[in-house]
Amino acid sequence: DSGVTQTPKHLITATGQRVTLRCSPRSGDLSVYWYQQSLDQGLQFLIQYYNGEERAKGNILERFSAQQFPDLHSELNLSSLELGDSALYFCASSFRDRDYEQFFGPGTRLTVL
Amino acid sequence: AQRVTQPEKLLSVFKGAPVELKCNYSYSGSPELFWYVQYSRQRLQLLLRHISRESIKGFTADLNKGETSFHLKKPFAQEEDSAMYYCALYSGNTGKLIFGQGTTLQVKP
Repeated sequence: DSGVTQTPKHLITATGQRVTLRCSPRSGDLSVYWYQQSLDQGLQFLIQYYNGEERAKGNILERFSAQQFPDLHSELNLSSLELGDSALYFCASSFRDRDYEQFFGPGTRLTVL
Repeated sequence: AQRVTQPEKLLSVFKGAPVELKCNYSYSGSPELFWYVQYSRQRLQLLLRHISRESIKGFTADLNKGETSFHLKKPFAQEEDSAMYYCALYSGNTGKLIFGQGTTLQVKP
């Protein structure tokens, strides 16, 4: 599968903990985008990286951080987790910087207990 | 403020009936609007973009700048159209794709 992949599929953890979500973009894509989908907020843009550099920032909390590595995979780090961080986290990729056509991964479902 | 509003969480219609999924936006400037779709157990994917004025799977959407709307329409719904539909606004200045809350379309046999 040369599409966007995300690991893990599901993650259950406790409040106060830290987790790392991983995303591998489509082959050849240089941009990676992270989104959070929760029941009350819908799909919210968090952050975008292009070829290793941060390019756009959305409603990302200070407790959250991300990076894109030289092999273009990206990680989203969530720390000091709260119950309200429970959500589906999507990664998307595109070839160009700041592209409206984004290819989404299957998501990681995070449950904070 | 840049915002996309989809007023209906759920839209339920019978097969063969017309469908209109509502989307309103708030944006200062020339908007670029899209519809994304997520079928059951599949990934979110781009359905159509306003600028191409194309029809995909029988769906069309017209940008109405006066009413700041971009409603998605199909004259005759099919069961396979059942999915979650998201309206999205692209802000070229910020590089952000701003999504609405999504509308679940349920087409009953």
